[in-house]
Amino acid sequence: GENVEQHPSTLSVQEGDSAVIKCTYSDSASNYFPWYKQELGKGPQLIIDIRSNVGEKKDQRIAVTLNKTAKHFSLHITETQPEDSAVYFCAASMEGTSYGKLTFGQGTILTVHP
Amino acid sequence: NAGVTQTPKFRVLKTGQSMTLLCAQDMNHEYMYWYRQDPGMGLRLIHYSVGEGTTAKGEVPDGYNVSRLKKQNFLLGLESAAPSQTSVYFCASRRNRENQPQHFGDGTRLSIL
Repeated sequence: GENVEQHPSTLSVQEGDSAVIKCTYSDSASNYFPWYKQELGKGPQLIIDIRSNVGEKKDQRIAVTLNKTAKHFSLHITETQPEDSAVYFCAASMEGTSYGKLTFGQGTILTVHP
Repeated sequence: NAGVTQTPKFRVLKTGQSMTLLCAQDMNHEYMYWYRQDPGMGLRLIHYSVGEGTTAKGEVPDGYNVSRLKKQNFLLGLESAAPSQTSVYFCASRRNRENQPQHFGDGTRLSIL
């Protein structure tokens, strides 16, 4: 089955700096890659996603890039703010054949220092 | 709209006891999922359902059972709780269209002593 590896496990940045989280996946049939943010005591919430026919997607300070050949995708957060501090998860799915089942990475604890 | 609601939020059980976790969604989603979250391991799929009356095994189904008698509810049961089942359990739902996000509840923190 699919395996998703996520790095780093923890990331500490100063407010205003950029943060990058990277994930690799094993199954070339995966075609949908969402990113979730989880705040303390809450469930994960989707912040951005990308399909395999797109190389990059941006939403304000957040961007995701996908390299299908290398089977890796990354989350980029620019101008970080303290409220960006949370746990971030990448995931992969084979849309159209797997009933939306997601395989998650291990998570990255992001801390933004004021 | 409440979205996805999980009850209870916290529970402590003794080894061998049984319990049922309830997940309810008010978005008329067809697909529903149960995950467990453990430190350093992300979220792992326990069971899922693609519609009322259907269930299927996920990545880590052993020791759990599920039922989906109504479209809006998805129940997760532990028949004989074990300490290895101490975890945070999340329920999620989504539409049965491609590339739709999963919507998560806020979790049930379960401790087995």
